[in-house]
Amino acid sequence: DAGITQSPRHKVTETGTPVTLRCHQTENHRYMYWYRQDPGHGLRLIHYSYGVKDTDKGEVSDGYSVSRSKTEDFLLTLESATSSQTSVYFCAIRGAVSTDTQYFGPGTRLTVL
Amino acid sequence: GNSVTQMEGPVTLSEEAFLTINCTYTATGYPSLFWYVQYPGEGLQLLLKATKADDKGSNKGFEATYRKETTSFHLEKGSVQVSDSAVYFCALSDNYGQNFVFGPGTRLSVLP
Repeated sequence: DAGITQSPRHKVTETGTPVTLRCHQTENHRYMYWYRQDPGHGLRLIHYSYGVKDTDKGEVSDGYSVSRSKTEDFLLTLESATSSQTSVYFCAIRGAVSTDTQYFGPGTRLTVL
Repeated sequence: GNSVTQMEGPVTLSEEAFLTINCTYTATGYPSLFWYVQYPGEGLQLLLKATKADDKGSNKGFEATYRKETTSFHLEKGSVQVSDSAVYFCALSDNYGQNFVFGPGTRLSVLP
């Protein structure tokens, strides 16, 4: 158990509204990641963070922003949600001992109507 | 760039059948290779991994061997159970846990 929680676990929203997803970890890991999971695509990286206030873009970052003001929290924001952002979102951390391994949270299912 | 290809399924087996899920990869250097499992409504759990050629990862009766000559990391289990029904993801990363690349996932259904 990597001590990762995500909130909310489920959310339904309307096109054009802002949405913020939260990832919280309890083990002081430096690296954190946001992925989206879509059928046929596996997981694709949206953004990642390598420390407080240090973030970078992933493969599918358009339409998303992130913030990390504390080590334990990594926020993903959809400034103006679109139907194409309907997906399951996973947060992950990089292992402290097994640094080649990522460990995942339980996911947030987001539906944009 | 790096990539992972795996059979998408779905794969349907009877309980106690032999399981193979094929995974091949394209990568520069010497990536670490992983199998993750996702049970319904849950996140991805690390099932097993291997970090160098000819290493065998194993866990819960599942095994996979890192074959550099064939760039493969096929997942096998000798006798599946209903509780193994899940989606299985093959993945690779560099040695720093960055640049993770996932396959599309293979859905396995095991019937009693």
